[in-house]
Amino acid sequence: ELKVEQNPLFLSMQEGKNYTIYCNYSTTSDRLYWYRQDPGKSLESLFVLLSNGAVKQEGRLMASLDTKARLSTLHITAAVHDLSATYFCAVDMEHQGGSEKLVFGKGTKLTVNP
Amino acid sequence: NAGVTQTPKFRVLKTGQSMTLLCAQDMNHEYMYWYRQDPGMGLRLIHYSVGEGTTAKGEVPDGYNVSRLKKQNFLLGLESAAPSQTSVYFCASSFSTSGNTDTQYFGPGTRLTVL
Repeated sequence: ELKVEQNPLFLSMQEGKNYTIYCNYSTTSDRLYWYRQDPGKSLESLFVLLSNGAVKQEGRLMASLDTKARLSTLHITAAVHDLSATYFCAVDMEHQGGSEKLVFGKGTKLTVNP
Repeated sequence: NAGVTQTPKFRVLKTGQSMTLLCAQDMNHEYMYWYRQDPGMGLRLIHYSVGEGTTAKGEVPDGYNVSRLKKQNFLLGLESAAPSQTSVYFCASSFSTSGNTDTQYFGPGTRLTVL
């Protein structure tokens, strides 16, 4: 059974600081997704990582995937208040098969303080 | 282009009542999904569909049924609601071609309370 663990679950940081959110998963998969959710809102796709070593960047966020370590990271650079949200990683249940069935982590609630 | 829409947005049921949640997408996506989101639990897959007329069970299917009679619609039914089904329900869709994987696009959610 695939398990996806995120840490930390809660993160309070100051504007301008850097931090990393970690996503570990328990079985082999080479497809990992990051989503953002604002309070009371739906999920918005941030990154799709489809191979070992994949790195994607958008603004102050950068995501990477290490399939051998079964680890993805979401790095935040020089945080701003607008990044406050809950961030989820999700892993495809099947290796190489692209099952489209995702297992989500519990989410990391990020609060960026002035 | 409305993307993924869900009806209703809010609903309160009494234990034992039934209801159907409707999901519609206008992106011509092949795959559709129903998730539930509970505090501190992330999202869990209830049922999904890989095409018109097909459905399959996800992680937490018990107490729910689904139907995909038309490609653009995916219905989630609760035959006899229980308080444990109080949750926020999200529908999602994606388009998957051979050897490629797209991200899932989510609807706005339905907040269901079962008393």
